[in-house]
Amino acid sequence: ELVVTQSPGTLSLSPGERATLSCRTSQSVTGSYLTWYQQKPGQAPRLLIYDASRRATGVPDRFSGSGSGTDFTLTISRLEPEDFAVYYCQDHDRSRGLIFGPGTTVDIK
Amino acid sequence: QVQLVQSGSELKKPGASVKVSCKASGYAFTTYAINWVRQAPGQGLEWMGWINTNTGVPRYAQDFTGRFVFSLDTSVSTAYLHITSLKAEDTAVYFCARTTMVESDYWGQGSLVTVSS
Repeated sequence: ELVVTQSPGTLSLSPGERATLSCRTSQSVTGSYLTWYQQKPGQAPRLLIYDASRRATGVPDRFSGSGSGTDFTLTISRLEPEDFAVYYCQDHDRSRGLIFGPGTTVDIK
Repeated sequence: QVQLVQSGSELKKPGASVKVSCKASGYAFTTYAINWVRQAPGQGLEWMGWINTNTGVPRYAQDFTGRFVFSLDTSVSTAYLHITSLKAEDTAVYFCARTTMVESDYWGQGSLVTVSS
């Protein structure tokens, strides 16, 4: 059974710092179908990264995705005030469909 | 511009049913599937399944079979989520999203369903 984990659970940083978020899947991701979303309180999720490393339309270039196989990373090069949010990774499994990770909260230190 | 607009909040008693709508605009409705995602209070995102808007064929995640039904009215570019026999644990925000079957690029604003006696 496919399991998606994210670490850390919470990341406390200051504006201007670099954020590195990890996503691990229990099975190798099919075709790098690894997606990242950002969600702010009271809002719908926003697509950030798809196919592990492709930025969605309108996403600033301070956001980047990398990784392959079972280990993936979302990096925010310099945190802006609007980047403090919860980040979810999502994998695609042929038998189970879409699986979200539990999320990483990036909050202000 | 692409928009998905969902129906408003609902307060229901246990055992009742609810139907959430998701009206799409700004693109050809049948060219993308619609995902449904649940978010319980203070919790993460949970994929419920999707519906192929071209064929009308739904796919349900393991935990969302039986009481959950996805449907369409393509004449008005609208997808529906129908939940029957509501339980307190169905209290959540339900999101629809346009999807390629992998990533979801446009999301509705969410519909809060509260189940309480």
